Amino acid sequence: GDSVTQMEGPVTLSEEAFLTINCTYTATGYPSLFWYVQYPGEGLQLLLKATKADDKGSNKGFEATYRKETTSFHLEKGSVQVSDSAVYFCALSEGRQLTFGSGTQLTVLP
Amino acid sequence: DTGVSQNPRHKITKRGQNVTFRCDPISEHNRLYWYRQTLGQGPEFLTYFQNEAQLEKSRLLSDRFSAERPKGSFSTLEIQRTEQGDSAMYLCASAIGGSSAGYNEQFFGPGTRLTVL
Repeated sequence: GDSVTQMEGPVTLSEEAFLTINCTYTATGYPSLFWYVQYPGEGLQLLLKATKADDKGSNKGFEATYRKETTSFHLEKGSVQVSDSAVYFCALSEGRQLTFGSGTQLTVLP
Repeated sequence: DTGVSQNPRHKITKRGQNVTFRCDPISEHNRLYWYRQTLGQGPEFLTYFQNEAQLEKSRLLSDRFSAERPKGSFSTLEIQRTEQGDSAMYLCASAIGGSSAGYNEQFFGPGTRLTVL
């Protein structure tokens, strides 16, 4: 079945540091890929998405590229802010339910 | 902005009691999903409706769990004879269903946190 493996946390960075959160997936077909973010006390929000190979999703300075050859969708940001502190979930969908990774807790220190 | 809403936000119950949660999706969304999230984990799929039809159920959804979406709008998730292992955050999401597979942007509600004592 489908599965998502993402980098374990927690990750602690200083403000303005570079962020990478690794995500790899296993799927039977050609899934869409997503990054969701969960801020403290809030619900899951879609951060970015990519629906086919080589697509780059981007939002709020975050970006991720759908790499079919390595079955990866790593999340990156060039300069993190304190307000980026949250839990980040990688997910895939082959048209129905989402399959999520276990989440990566990010803490950004001023 | 009328996003996905869930009620109640928190529920504390004693083991063996029944509980029911409600989800109101975004009005034009015909697909509705229930997920369960335990501490430190990602959400796990429970069940999915297209309009009023329940099209898929996870193996996680034991016989004690039942979900309905009677008029294709709001949905309820009932857990009978609750157990301590049912303690989790129950998330509802909605989406616009279409004929193309592979693209499924779901919008999540804030969740209902269940604590079974």
